[in-house]
Amino acid sequence: QKEVEQNSGPLSVPEGAIASLNCTYSDRGSQSFFWYRQYSGKSPELIMSIYSNGDKEDGRFTAQLNKASQYVSLLIRDSQPSDSATYLCAVTNQGGKLIFGQGTELSVKP
Amino acid sequence: ETGVTQTPRHLVMGMTNKKSLKCEQHLGHNAMYWYKQSAKKPLELMFVYNFKEQTENNSVPSRFSPECPNSSHLFLHLHTLQPEDSALYLCASSQEIQGVDEQYFGPGTRLTVT
Repeated sequence: QKEVEQNSGPLSVPEGAIASLNCTYSDRGSQSFFWYRQYSGKSPELIMSIYSNGDKEDGRFTAQLNKASQYVSLLIRDSQPSDSATYLCAVTNQGGKLIFGQGTELSVKP
Repeated sequence: ETGVTQTPRHLVMGMTNKKSLKCEQHLGHNAMYWYKQSAKKPLELMFVYNFKEQTENNSVPSRFSPECPNSSHLFLHLHTLQPEDSALYLCASSQEIQGVDEQYFGPGTRLTVT
């Protein structure tokens, strides 16, 4: 089992819709969870971090964490074509190492 | 662009060459990282430096040699690389506080080994 799993996509949503990106992790002792956005040919950019169960909202982005289910998600409301990118889920395991998923490619169609 | 810079941005080298990648962070962080990103693969952690001391070497071949002279600068020395080493090499930094480890990436060096 991979330590951090994401569907590779591509996930295609129409402009204005809600995009839902999902991530599961294997280390039950993980404490820190991050979402990075990576445009093609660019480096990852940190967009959200979440440390406790529940929802965390920042503008059009909402991160959701459920430690019991070992699940973290990212919702993007009112999706825009500029949101088209690969979204990387990253989890800090008990050993303190940041483990990345392989990323989900999101395409927002005008 | 973030507070982490990397040079060069692109590098083409032969298998017998020796080259170095440079990373500098302007964020006052105390930890720096080298990652490798190959096509269709997750980011792979290569090395971690915390307060200039190497704390992680993720089974990286010896043809990659890191150097961290101070907490703001990180180098990756390359020699006798293989074509499969062609990838995007990313530097990151963070301010390590227990339970919080937000890493910020530089723009990367696109390496091609011929």
